[in-house]
Amino acid sequence: DAGITQSPRHKVTETGTPVTLRCHQTENHRYMYWYRQDPGHGLRLIHYSYGVKDTDKGEVSDGYSVSRSKTEDFLLTLESATSSQTSVYFCAILLRLESEAFFGQGTRLTVV
Amino acid sequence: DAKTTQPTSMDCAEGRAANLPCNHSTISGNEYVYWYRQIHSQGPQYIIHGLKNNETNEMASLIITEDRKSSTLILPHATLRDTAVYYCIVAQGNAGKSTFGDGTTLTVKP
Repeated sequence: DAGITQSPRHKVTETGTPVTLRCHQTENHRYMYWYRQDPGHGLRLIHYSYGVKDTDKGEVSDGYSVSRSKTEDFLLTLESATSSQTSVYFCAILLRLESEAFFGQGTRLTVV
Repeated sequence: DAKTTQPTSMDCAEGRAANLPCNHSTISGNEYVYWYRQIHSQGPQYIIHGLKNNETNEMASLIITEDRKSSTLILPHATLRDTAVYYCIVAQGNAGKSTFGDGTTLTVKP
């Protein structure tokens, strides 16, 4: 699993509340990514990071922000959760460019 | 990154080879082909990747056509545990920054 831990694994929250998901890795890899996956569909990239304080937007970044103040942690924040953000969120790391990506086990978020 | 096209679903008999095709006709010369699979709602699992040459590892073989416009993932002896969604993606040196289509749902039947 390349030392990736996502927390929480499950969360139910109310519309309009802020939510932060955490991705933690133990091996000091530089490249980290957040994806979301909706039922019956593939993964879509939200944000990614190339290192501490170096982040960029993916294809579905609206409504999400990220922070990476330490190499090992990549945080995804929903500033004001909406029902459309109900999804499964996956974190991934890349060992190096041109290598494969390793994914966490996912966080299932439900916004009611 | 180039887009890929995969069949929506395929069936395979247990013990037989599963051949999963992928079209990537707009692939550029420095883009790799990666295959992942996802079982139930677990995180995607890496299977194999390649640039030009065919590749084989303990899980599967990857056959890339000479013009690189398509590829085939081969699971040589499919088991029930190989039932999953298989994703083919192409990426230029940054596999994490990828677009995952809807993949192919492979069902291995007894």
